[in-house]
Amino acid sequence: DTAVSQTPKYLVTQMGNDKSIKCEQNLGHDTMYWYKQDSKKFLKIMFSYNNKELIINETVPNRFSPKSPDKAHLNLHINSLELGDSAVYFCASSQAPGETQYFGPGTRLLVL
Amino acid sequence: GQQVMQIPQYQHVQEGEDFTTYCNSSTTLSNIQWYKQRPGGHPVFLIQLVKSGEVKKQKRLTFQFGEAKKNSSLHITATQTTDVGTYFCAEENFNKFYFGSGTKLNVKP
Repeated sequence: DTAVSQTPKYLVTQMGNDKSIKCEQNLGHDTMYWYKQDSKKFLKIMFSYNNKELIINETVPNRFSPKSPDKAHLNLHINSLELGDSAVYFCASSQAPGETQYFGPGTRLLVL
Repeated sequence: GQQVMQIPQYQHVQEGEDFTTYCNSSTTLSNIQWYKQRPGGHPVFLIQLVKSGEVKKQKRLTFQFGEAKKNSSLHITATQTTDVGTYFCAEENFNKFYFGSGTKLNVKP
């Protein structure tokens, strides 16, 4: 069974479109994260939720809106996609904030 | 945002050679974690260091936390082709993880 899963794995879309990425964890963790990894492999935290509450919101454009319907799910909606949004987006979870993180397989987003 | 300095950026070694990557921070860290990301894969947790001067070993991997808790290193003895990937350190600060820029290791058979 996959501990942290993301859908879709690949996403190719046109500039200006709106898209969503979904993440689910079956580890019973309280905390979930979204990271962006650019072409140079820099991993930057975007958001973190603990028990469905937003606890970390880094300097991310308002076009990105996370939503956590329950502790096991954290989705990311992106409005008006731009070329610079092309990257790999990783979801991760941990037992509590600041603890060991378990990453999902990533969603490879390409904006044309 | 906070950036953790990690060197070198790339390392190409012959199988059997040793490899070391270093992580440096301008601030005193509460703890540091190390992750490995295989090509096309996702980061996988390796270890966490908490105490000043701490040294931990996992088979051929040796992790060290500096006495001042401002730097850390990962040393691999006698690399194998399975060690190929990018190694990241990550410092935790108020529940946020700041990842280093990573060291990409290539091992020639």
